[in-house]
Amino acid sequence: QKEVEQDPGPLSVPEGAIVSLNCTYSNSAFQYFMWYRQYSRKGPELLMYTYSSGNKEDGRFTAQVDKSSKYISLFIRDSQPSDSATYLCAMRRDHAGGTSYGKLTFGQGTILTVHP
Amino acid sequence: EAGVAQSPRYKIIEKRQSVAFWCNPISGHATLYWYQQILGQGPKLLIQFQNNGVVDDSQLPKDRFSAERLKGVDSTLKIQPAKLEDSAVYLCASSLRGAKNIQYFGAGTRLSVL
Repeated sequence: QKEVEQDPGPLSVPEGAIVSLNCTYSNSAFQYFMWYRQYSRKGPELLMYTYSSGNKEDGRFTAQVDKSSKYISLFIRDSQPSDSATYLCAMRRDHAGGTSYGKLTFGQGTILTVHP
Repeated sequence: EAGVAQSPRYKIIEKRQSVAFWCNPISGHATLYWYQQILGQGPKLLIQFQNNGVVDDSQLPKDRFSAERLKGVDSTLKIQPAKLEDSAVYLCASSLRGAKNIQYFGAGTRLSVL
């Protein structure tokens, strides 16, 4: 079983739709949760960063973390064609977990296409 | 602020050949990471440096992969000899030291082993 599971999609939605992306994980030591966006032939760029459980909103993006269920989500409101990309969830342990705390464990990514 | 620089962007080699990738992190970032991203998968950490010391290389195939970070700045990742299954994008990332530890990624080197 992978530590982080993410539905690879692909997901295709019309412009203006609300998009929901999800990941589940098995390692209860994960404390920091991130969403990265990766355009074709580019490196991942950080979208959202959350510590422990709760919600965080940034413009059209909302990240949710439910540690009791080991489940994280990213919602995109009013989706745009420019949101078309691969979305990667990533997580890592607290720094108290040792010197390798920087290691990110990624899901496999969800390919999203927003069509006009 | 300049981002993480990587070169080359693309490389095609035959199996059993050797190849090297170069990374220049964001100025001032003490921590440097090399990830391998196979098509259709998320990045997987190969090695993490703190300044010029190795912090984590538990997932680096040490029989064929090596990496160094001289003077705590630039880094090179080498594969010798390459196998077909090494075809992937090799991503370099860097971060400031600290609990928040946000990692910034370069555009990657796309390796094709024929």
